[in-house]
Amino acid sequence: NAGVMQNPRHLVRRRGQEARLRCSPMKGHSHVYWYRQLPEEGLKFMVYLQKENIIDESGMPKERFSAEFPKEGPSILRIQQVVRGDSAAYFCASSPQGAGGYTFGSGTRLTVV
Amino acid sequence: GQNIDQPTEMTATEGAIVQINCTYQTSGFNGLFWYQQHAGEAPTFLSYNVLDGLEEKGRFSSFLSRSKGYSYLLLKELQMKDSASYLCAVSHGGATNKLIFGTGTLLAVQP
Repeated sequence: NAGVMQNPRHLVRRRGQEARLRCSPMKGHSHVYWYRQLPEEGLKFMVYLQKENIIDESGMPKERFSAEFPKEGPSILRIQQVVRGDSAAYFCASSPQGAGGYTFGSGTRLTVV
Repeated sequence: GQNIDQPTEMTATEGAIVQINCTYQTSGFNGLFWYQQHAGEAPTFLSYNVLDGLEEKGRFSSFLSRSKGYSYLLLKELQMKDSASYLCAVSHGGATNKLIFGTGTLLAVQP
């Protein structure tokens, strides 16, 4: 009965590289949310996806960031040409019906050097 | 705009009671959540209030007043393991039902 699985737990990238963060929702959950937590700040909503659809990406930076949740496989948050300001903890959460109170994964801590 | 305020830090003594307040102003409201987050770990669900009043769950209770845009989390019989950040979050509702988080209150429980 695995929870929300995120990998990798820690990711180090040099400026200009690409970062790929993966999230496998809980079994039976078809709704995925991505949040970013910058140092000393609260969790900020980035994007909400259902299988094969982006429902709300109002929190995503307009450039370099993209997300997908394919029919098969995990949800992917992709950051191209990373910069130091992208260093943060990225949390994924899943829910069965898009309701609040969803379950969070343990996060991916991205460090850009 | 969306605004959720909670104290940045609090300190309390083991065995005591502590109340963490949260005020909010959001364009949508579909309930208020409290999460606990230990350093370097995932937020874990503590409580959910959608109607006014007090919800009690063991040592933790949460209160909501929608008319005042106010909630608090009450922790009783504090234990050292309760040292963590406590996150207040409003469910925005609508098609997305995303959560809007405060910056969290870092609680330090001292012996």
